[in-house]
Amino acid sequence: GESVGLHLPTLSVQEGDNSIINCAYSNSASDYFIWYKQESGKGPQFIIDIRSNMDKRQGQRVTVLLNKTVKHLSLQIAATQPGDSAVYFCAENYGGSQGNLIFGKGTKLSVKP
Amino acid sequence: KAGVTQTPRYLIKTRGQQVTLSCSPISGHRSVSWYQQTPGQGLQFLFEYFSETQRNKGNFPGRFSGRQFSNSRSEMNVSTLELGDSALYLCASSQEWDYEQYFGPGTRLTVT
Repeated sequence: GESVGLHLPTLSVQEGDNSIINCAYSNSASDYFIWYKQESGKGPQFIIDIRSNMDKRQGQRVTVLLNKTVKHLSLQIAATQPGDSAVYFCAENYGGSQGNLIFGKGTKLSVKP
Repeated sequence: KAGVTQTPRYLIKTRGQQVTLSCSPISGHRSVSWYQQTPGQGLQFLFEYFSETQRNKGNFPGRFSGRQFSNSRSEMNVSTLELGDSALYLCASSQEWDYEQYFGPGTRLTVT
């Protein structure tokens, strides 16, 4: 789609399988993290967030894990569906104003029916 | 509640021209941020406005500017357009006390 990078890492999964998307963040002082989903031609859509005082948070079919020791974030999607096909971005905020998010490069998730 | 709206959705301009993009945040949201998205650089923060004041600014040249009005609507302006300014420009709004940002669909700017 028009919004995705040309050389994004791609994860291809079978419908019904679980997906794990990884992200390395940049600043050890970051205290808030978000996962966004972006479909072709649309703006990013909020999926789930987590604060630095937590290491796990669950939503509907999604779980975010935070490992501050190695500055790693992951998004787990259970029972992946074709509608989950999109580019997924992690973003961090390291104590700046709320509107300043630093985004990762993104991972393209492709779900095969 | 209506989402974030951005106008226009698509725009084609010539090098050297200037452009103004508009963003209407979700009702009640006072913080508006702008991002540039390109295939090469990904999503990059431009600036953030809150209560008509620029609260934060990313690493972009002075050709990029913005403002916010008393009704929280925001505009961004790019002067002396360059080919490299071709991108999807995204606006996001959030509540005063919330880090969660809601994005609009973006304005696709093409500079020829």
